[in-house]
Amino acid sequence: EPEVTQTPSHQVTQMGQEVILRCVPISNHLYFYWYRQILGQKVEFLVSFYNNEISEKSEIFDDQFSVERPDGSNFTLKIRSTKLEDSAMYFCASSEGTYYPYEQYFGPGTRLTVT
Amino acid sequence: GENVEQHPSTLSVQEGDSAVIKCTYSDSASNYFPWYKQELGKRPQLIIDIRSNVGEKKDQRIAVTLNKTAKHFSLHITETQPEDSAVYFCGLLRGYGNKLVFGAGTILRVKS
Repeated sequence: EPEVTQTPSHQVTQMGQEVILRCVPISNHLYFYWYRQILGQKVEFLVSFYNNEISEKSEIFDDQFSVERPDGSNFTLKIRSTKLEDSAMYFCASSEGTYYPYEQYFGPGTRLTVT
Repeated sequence: GENVEQHPSTLSVQEGDSAVIKCTYSDSASNYFPWYKQELGKRPQLIIDIRSNVGEKKDQRIAVTLNKTAKHFSLHITETQPEDSAVYFCGLLRGYGNKLVFGAGTILRVKS
């Protein structure tokens, strides 16, 4: 069964550094998402992406964040200047449909640790 | 805005008993309600979902009920097993949007 994949599984970075988290969504899916989960808390929506542009973003997704689909398979989340509070598990997700609520399938996550 | 309250925050049951987790929401435009199971250190996995035109859906030991009038939906697990122990999150989608809003999660412990 196809799955969403993410790399790296764990990223350690120093405050102020840029990080890029990578995701490969399920191949026939059209919608892509990033969520984050701070340790012990609920999963929070960051951004959704469709047709090569952001379709919705949360208050968390400020100017320090950006997303890109650089080719036909990868979907990336960039944090330009990391802060301590960016430490969290970042999940990529994808879904098949557009106008009908379709199931979202999550990747295994990237644990980001900012020191 | 979208908000979903989930209860209880922790639930301990004896193996073989049933477990029920409930979520309430405020936005009547919500039309899709998934439940995810997350084991420690792993990804959230979709276990069952329900759309607003359906009142109940069942998949083996798992069922979800939706009461649109009262704006709540519940996850029912029957004949619980130790491997059901995990954190369960309810979620919702509003209208044609695709932003999943999650509840705070329920830690389910099944004691053998």
